[in-house]
Amino acid sequence: NAGVTQTPKFQVLKTGQSMTLQCAQDMNHEYMSWYRQDPGMGLRLIHYSVGAGITDQGEVPNGYNVSRSTTEDFPLRLLSAAPSQTSVYFCASSYGTGVLGETQYFGPGTRLLVL
Amino acid sequence: AQSVTQPDIHITVSEGASLELRCNYSYGATPYLFWYVQSPGQGLQLLLKYFSGDTLVQGIKGFEAEFKRSQSSFNLRKPSVHWSDAAEYFCAVGAGGATNKLIFGTGTLLAVQP
Repeated sequence: NAGVTQTPKFQVLKTGQSMTLQCAQDMNHEYMSWYRQDPGMGLRLIHYSVGAGITDQGEVPNGYNVSRSTTEDFPLRLLSAAPSQTSVYFCASSYGTGVLGETQYFGPGTRLLVL
Repeated sequence: AQSVTQPDIHITVSEGASLELRCNYSYGATPYLFWYVQSPGQGLQLLLKYFSGDTLVQGIKGFEAEFKRSQSSFNLRKPSVHWSDAAEYFCAVGAGGATNKLIFGTGTLLAVQP
């Protein structure tokens, strides 16, 4: 298994540009999440999904869109990038919410710089 | 609202010394608690987790953590630190009792002196 994969590893955007951060997992996990990591702030939840076709907002959803058309993929879209979205983005997945001791597996991250 | 506090932003210890990283959480019920480690430029690796049962939890790399409900704490410990332990450490709690939505602390950066 490749686990959770993210592409690209690094991206530079200009203000106003759009892009999609890709996330895929091959573990047949129902639950997937996107976090952003900023210095001194830890990781914060952007959006999450509990299954194909179902998404919901996390703590910091503004400026980001998600969709979940398949179990494997959970892309994060920036429609109009802003410098405040410069961050490291992590995707994570799990097969449950903890009732059976499930934990999240994290991808390697995407570093995004918005100029 | 749920939250996680890591009071120490930066800690320096000597190699071979003991280590304790502090974590306090706020949550009304029994929480799901985690410690993750992140090496520079890397992703997050799960060190250990607490769901229920024994309040002393053993993890990888010789780390352990103790859940203390009365103090709302989940401190991470290691009896003898190695230079390779230098990294950033994050405590997290499952939001609303769910592990697919984590609330993270701001992290503690550990430096290890030779």
